[in-house]
Amino acid sequence: DAGVTQSPTHLIKTRGQHVTLRCSPISGHKSVSWYQQVLGQGPQFIFQYYEKEERGRGNFPDRFSARQFPNYSSELNVNALLLGDSALYLCASTRDRGLYGYTFGSGTRLTVV
Amino acid sequence: QKEVEQDPGPLSVPEGAIVSLNCTYSNSAFQYFMWYRQYSRKGPELLMYTYSSGNKEDGRFTAQVDKSSKYISLFIRDSQPSDSATYLCATQGGSEKLVFGKGTKLTVNP
Repeated sequence: DAGVTQSPTHLIKTRGQHVTLRCSPISGHKSVSWYQQVLGQGPQFIFQYYEKEERGRGNFPDRFSARQFPNYSSELNVNALLLGDSALYLCASTRDRGLYGYTFGSGTRLTVV
Repeated sequence: QKEVEQDPGPLSVPEGAIVSLNCTYSNSAFQYFMWYRQYSRKGPELLMYTYSSGNKEDGRFTAQVDKSSKYISLFIRDSQPSDSATYLCATQGGSEKLVFGKGTKLTVNP
């Protein structure tokens, strides 16, 4: 069974640009969450989606947005990129609403120059 | 005060040593406690999951939660070089989000 898949694995963007990151959850998992992990820090919660509805939002600016599609895959969008947005962006999925631990993907490493 | 505090290390031990990793948390609403292992350039992998206080053992790994002191521990027995990774503690309360510590980088030397 395929795990959580994220694309792209790496990308480099310029300040002010926009980026879209993609995530496919494990088959049968209906909940997808996004986390940002800055080098040397633990992951920070950005969003959770369950059954295509936003169920939680972390302390991130409105430049960050996300959505979940009918097949439960998800996109994270970040507008007006800043140097501080450089991080590993992790997607995690779980079958229900996430009370039994998440399965994480390998992440997308975003570098903003 | 951060919600979850974890000493980032680094921690270096010889092969076969017993490793003790610890976190403290501030929010008494947290009920679920997890340890994740993260290898370089990979996503976190769930190692142990416990609910409320007590011990849980899985092979060489033992997780302990003491809710009275808001203290979370992970013990690794007979540590192996393949255990070299960053270990992240995480907690979860009534909401769906996980709150992570900074992670402790562990190196097990052959």
